[in-house]
Amino acid sequence: TQLLEQSPQFLSIQEGENLTVYCNSSSVFSSLQWYRQEPGEGPVLLVTVVTGGEVKKLKRLTFQFGDARKDSSLHITAAQPGDTGLYLCAVNRGTYKYIFGTGTRLKVLA
Amino acid sequence: DTGVSQDPRHKITKRGQNVTFRCDPISEHNRLYWYRQTLGQGPEFLTYFQNEAQLEKSRLLSDRFSAERPKGSFSTLEIQRTEQGDSAMYLCASSSRGPEGAFFGQGTRLTVV
Repeated sequence: TQLLEQSPQFLSIQEGENLTVYCNSSSVFSSLQWYRQEPGEGPVLLVTVVTGGEVKKLKRLTFQFGDARKDSSLHITAAQPGDTGLYLCAVNRGTYKYIFGTGTRLKVLA
Repeated sequence: DTGVSQDPRHKITKRGQNVTFRCDPISEHNRLYWYRQTLGQGPEFLTYFQNEAQLEKSRLLSDRFSAERPKGSFSTLEIQRTEQGDSAMYLCASSSRGPEGAFFGQGTRLTVV
């Protein structure tokens, strides 16, 4: 079983629409990261959330850490084709190794 | 500093050959990670270094895989007697102490034919 379950797995939307992707677990974490990865490239760190209930904004992206620090969401407002990519959540386990979720593959159509 | 650097970006090799990849982390980062990623999956942890010490290895890292980080700077990942199942993107990442997350290189795409 996966430590981090992401949903949906795939999402195809029109430019200008809003969307939310989720990262869920039954475990509690001290911090959680979100990454975006484009084809053929490494993941790029977007944000780290640390405190339960924390909300962070990065331009049109809003990240929230669940109150119980078991889950997180990423909301994109007015999606653009440049937002297309694989969105990954990750957490620290053990000696600071990072474990990744299953990923949400987003495609924004112009 | 331009971030984490990996070399080569792409490698095509015949089954049975040995390959070696290099990773140069962000200079002030003492933690270095290797991951493997196959199509449609998230990165899978392979191994972790703190300075020059290899502190953790995944069960995914068979005897054919070896990683080093001499002097706690750059790292190499060697795969001996490559198999077709080794075809994947190999990612290197580095981080400092603390929860801020890891920074990844662009990866090395390995194709075993």
